[in-house]
Amino acid sequence: QSALTQPASVSGSPGQSITISCTGTSSDVGGYNYVSWYQQHPGKAPKLMIYDVSKRPSGVSNRFSGSKSGNTASLTISGLQAEDEADYYCSSYTSSSTYVFGTGTKVTVL
Amino acid sequence: QVQLVESGGGLVKPGGSLRLSCAASGFTFSDYYMSWIRQAPGKGLEWVSYISSSGSTIYYADSVKGRFTISRDNAKNSLYLQMNSLRAEDTAVYYCARVVHGDWYFDLWGRGTLVTVSS
Repeated sequence: QSALTQPASVSGSPGQSITISCTGTSSDVGGYNYVSWYQQHPGKAPKLMIYDVSKRPSGVSNRFSGSKSGNTASLTISGLQAEDEADYYCSSYTSSSTYVFGTGTKVTVL
Repeated sequence: QVQLVESGGGLVKPGGSLRLSCAASGFTFSDYYMSWIRQAPGKGLEWVSYISSSGSTIYYADSVKGRFTISRDNAKNSLYLQMNSLRAEDTAVYYCARVVHGDWYFDLWGRGTLVTVSS
């Protein structure tokens, strides 16, 4: 199972919106609405930000939103803040009953 | 409080074995699927394995199949990963994570334990 494809880095100024893409295949992202997104600050454990493509867990800011079109899922961060600077990973359930993660995206707040 | 705490990491020689443990607290462990996920130094996340709440269903990533064994003891609220025939490429922080079965995402993560495979 190959990793899902994410851009290596995305940057934006405070207050701006950025979007991170996550491209897979019809066997994972395109085949299921089981895409989730995780935020990871340096030296910390990942934190769930989005599940089921677009649902937000309790406690996660509504500045974070998710969507999907075909084999590509996206995470949008609006009103970018300094604390959003972190690595972000997408994940999808697959047709093999396994999981696959994305390659990861480093978000930089300029 | 609700938490997962991994232990058992360390330095091991290539070809050696190690057993990781994950202690769960603050929730009904036996209700949840559980998973191991790893992250090599400076690299991305890689899913390793998951086990159903009863232990009857288990899946592995191809990279560890035949070498790693996941198990659980619901009476002890504990998850395990037996790692055999270790290779340098198994060097990583290993995270224990709770799986929301049916929606298939990881909603609770431990802080991880570092496994280093080196001679």
